[in-house]
Amino acid sequence: QLVLTQSPSASASLGASVKLTCTLSSGHSNYVIAWHQQQPEKGPRYLMKLNSDGSHSKGDGIPDRFSGSSSGAERYLTISSLQSEDEADYYCQTWGTGMMVFGGGTKLTVL
Amino acid sequence: EVQLVESGGGLVQPGGSLRLSCAASGFTFSSYSMNWVRQAPGKGLEWVSYISSSSSLIYYADSVKGRFTISRDSAKNSLSLQMNSLRDEDTAVYYCARGITGGTLLNYWGQGTLVTVSS
Repeated sequence: QLVLTQSPSASASLGASVKLTCTLSSGHSNYVIAWHQQQPEKGPRYLMKLNSDGSHSKGDGIPDRFSGSSSGAERYLTISSLQSEDEADYYCQTWGTGMMVFGGGTKLTVL
Repeated sequence: EVQLVESGGGLVQPGGSLRLSCAASGFTFSSYSMNWVRQAPGKGLEWVSYISSSSSLIYYADSVKGRFTISRDSAKNSLSLQMNSLRDEDTAVYYCARGITGGTLLNYWGQGTLVTVSS
């Protein structure tokens, strides 16, 4: 069964970097995923498509501070030089056989 | 600029029906797959339904199968979701979202429309 697992919460200081993780279930380590950001009281926003080899392509207007990488079944979203507006929920998303799957989301707090 | 604008949300009683619409602009609507994704209050994102660019492939989440129907009208650049036999647990903000070029990942989202199922 295709499942995406994310830690419920993360925190980092203003100006620092943070690495969020999305883990693909066993047998699905080659899947491509997307990362999405949802700021408080707003709709989601596409950040990037992330391949199993770590290559990624970002959405329109996404700052260079956002980058992606991969290792095995893990997909990472790294945000550097954290700003207050990066405080948001972050979701990973992929597609299985006839169904779309979302991770449970990680709530990022910028201290 | 890609724009997706949902409408049709509101308050409905359990067992009732509602039809959501999504007006698309800024891209060739007939070339992209489309989806509905919902978010219950305080919860994460939940996929609801997918329709391919030609409408030849349609999929539903198990939670809505047999009750919801997705459709699209390329002449009107419009996506719809007919929701019947609504339940309390269908209460959520419903988002229209576009698929990535040639794929099933999502890369554009609407602002959402709230559906409240309550007596």
